[in-house]
Amino acid sequence: DQQVKQNSPSLSVQEGRISILNCDYTNSMFDYFLWYKKYPAEGPTFLISISSIKDKNEDGRFTVFLNKSAKHLSLHIVPSQPGDSAVYFCAASARKDNDMRFGAGTRLTVKP
Amino acid sequence: GAVVSQHPSRVICKSGTSVKIECRSLDFQATTMFWYRQFPKQSLMLMATSNEGSKATYEQGVEKDKFLINHASLTLSTLTVTSAHPEDSSFYICSAGREAEQFFGPGTRLTVL
Repeated sequence: DQQVKQNSPSLSVQEGRISILNCDYTNSMFDYFLWYKKYPAEGPTFLISISSIKDKNEDGRFTVFLNKSAKHLSLHIVPSQPGDSAVYFCAASARKDNDMRFGAGTRLTVKP
Repeated sequence: GAVVSQHPSRVICKSGTSVKIECRSLDFQATTMFWYRQFPKQSLMLMATSNEGSKATYEQGVEKDKFLINHASLTLSTLTVTSAHPEDSSFYICSAGREAEQFFGPGTRLTVL
C-alpha cells in the first residue's frame, strides 16, 4: 500500500525557472513531511521539512507547501540551477522521529 | 511503479540474538540494493551498498561483521544484525535500484530488548 505517492517520475525545467515537485499521501496520521535529494550512488540527503501545524516552510531557494485537506505537499525550487538535477524523494511520518514512508521519487533535470 | 518489500515490518528480539531482514524487489531485477538506518530527526544513514553476486560495500563506520549483507539474487538482499544490542534498535530501510532509479522499501522497525 503506497502511502506516499509521487506521480511524476521525471521533470525537466530550464535554468532560472521554477521547479515544482508534487507529493500526495493517503495516511491522515502523517503529520511530519520531508524532502530528500539524492544523487546517483549516494544516500539521500535531507533537504527541507514541514510539520502539519504549518502550511509553508521556506529555506533559501527551497519552499515546501502543505495542503492538509488535500493531503498534498509540494517542493518549489526557485530559481532552479543545474546542480539541482537529482532525484527528489518525499517522505512522511506520524510524529517526528517515527518511521518514515517514502514516495517513489521524481527525477529533476535542470537544463542550462 | 516498481515495488520493494521488506520483511519483517517489525521485529522485537532479545539482546545477543541475530535478526535477519529481507529486502525484495517484486517486479524488477535490482542489480544494486542499498541499506539505510534512520536516525533521530529523520536523518538517513547509508549503511552499505549491496551488489548481486559480490561483496557489499560498507560505508565508513559501519561494522561489516555486525551488519552482514547478502545479495544472493537480483531480487533479494538480506541484512543480518548479529548479536544485536539495544543501541541497534532503529528503523532500517532498503532501496533497490533499476537503471538510474531507486525505490524504497517500507522499512523494518527493529527493537532490541
